[in-house]
Amino acid sequence: DQQVKQNSPSLSVQEGRISILNCDYTNSMFDYFLWYKKYPAEGPTFLISISSIKDKNEDGRFTVFLNKSAKHLSLHIVPSQPGDSAVYFCAASGHNDMRFGAGTRLTVKP
Amino acid sequence: DAGVIQSPRHEVTEMGQEVTLRCKPISGHDYLFWYRQTMMRGLELLIYFNNNVPIDDSGMPEDRFSAKMPNASFSTLKIQPSEPRDSAVYFCASSNSGRDGYTFGSGTRLTVV
Repeated sequence: DQQVKQNSPSLSVQEGRISILNCDYTNSMFDYFLWYKKYPAEGPTFLISISSIKDKNEDGRFTVFLNKSAKHLSLHIVPSQPGDSAVYFCAASGHNDMRFGAGTRLTVKP
Repeated sequence: DAGVIQSPRHEVTEMGQEVTLRCKPISGHDYLFWYRQTMMRGLELLIYFNNNVPIDDSGMPEDRFSAKMPNASFSTLKIQPSEPRDSAVYFCASSNSGRDGYTFGSGTRLTVV
């Protein structure tokens, strides 16, 4: 039973444009959400997070939006750069562990 | 700190053999997690430890899987007997808390033929 879902396995955007990655969750007990980035042959690395008391968190080119009523969050990357090409995992936490989605492979074309 | 260290990086084994994956967490981290990455299910939490004690092993697929953490600096994930469907990348992560600051190892790519 996947509690965190990323329904788009892949996304391709042009350099300089906006990338929007989406994530849905089912467990209303989740109150902390994160995005991780993963390059091939490496472990995932933390990118950005948001608490359920907020609806937006921004860090440079990366912004995460949270819609609690819809149980939906999204990651915006603007402008997108070729170095952003990676697999992005959405994660949610409610207690002392973290559940991940299946990941979205982002390709940013020069 | 060298980060979370996993060994081996790659493992190829025959069906029915025992496989042991190893993890050294970051010193001072009191949470350790084992995840499995597959194309279909992404990153699945298998088990996690807090202060060397297993807290939640509900993600362990079957009795063929077992994990131990004999001390704060070492954990193992064992599969016995292994099956082709166990082929995946297995990640270990450690953290100061269960909610944030996860540091992942580079993973062990397991292939069971």
